[in-house]
Amino acid sequence: DTAVSQTPKYLVTQMGNDKSIKCEQNLGHDTMYWYKQDSKKFLKIMFSYNNKELIINETVPNRFSPKSPDKAHLNLHINSLELGDSAVYFCASSQSRRAYNEQFFGPGTRLTVL
Amino acid sequence: KNEVEQSPQNLTAQEGEFITINCSYSVGISALHWLQQHPGGGIVSLFMLSSGKKKHGRLIATINIQEKHSSLHITASHPRDSAVYICAVRSMETSGSRLTFGEGTQLTVNP
Repeated sequence: DTAVSQTPKYLVTQMGNDKSIKCEQNLGHDTMYWYKQDSKKFLKIMFSYNNKELIINETVPNRFSPKSPDKAHLNLHINSLELGDSAVYFCASSQSRRAYNEQFFGPGTRLTVL
Repeated sequence: KNEVEQSPQNLTAQEGEFITINCSYSVGISALHWLQQHPGGGIVSLFMLSSGKKKHGRLIATINIQEKHSSLHITASHPRDSAVYICAVRSMETSGSRLTFGEGTQLTVNP
């Protein structure tokens, strides 16, 4: 029974398109995150939501818009895709926003922009 | 300069060797995480530390808050330990639950 799931696992699309990545967690956690892993495998936080409220919004182009319909879901919508958006995107969740909570990661979505 | 530095970047070992991966950070932290990323890409949390030492099977993680340094040790290494090991810190200087990551250590254990 998957704890944090993401769809799709692979996404290949053309420059300029709009796409969404979905994330769901069945752990009953309050806090969810989106991370970007670049070609050098470096992970960086993009967004974090706590109980559907945005709490972290890093310096991310406003073409990226997270949406949390409920605390079990955090979707990532990307407008006008660019070549530089190609990366692996990981969703994660933790019980709360407190420092001592372990984060559980989804399997990742590999986005390739052609 | 990244707030979190790991060494070495790449490490190759023979099966059975004792392995140490180091992590140094430059900010005050409330917690430090060690993560493992499998060759298939999945990320698993191994440890979360705020002080002292934790052990899980053949893995041991230690942290020295005064020296701003943590180590991940693997005893009796096995080829299935081959993965990227990532150190991440929860900074006290930033709000929310942001993790700042090191660049990872690629470990290859040969049979």
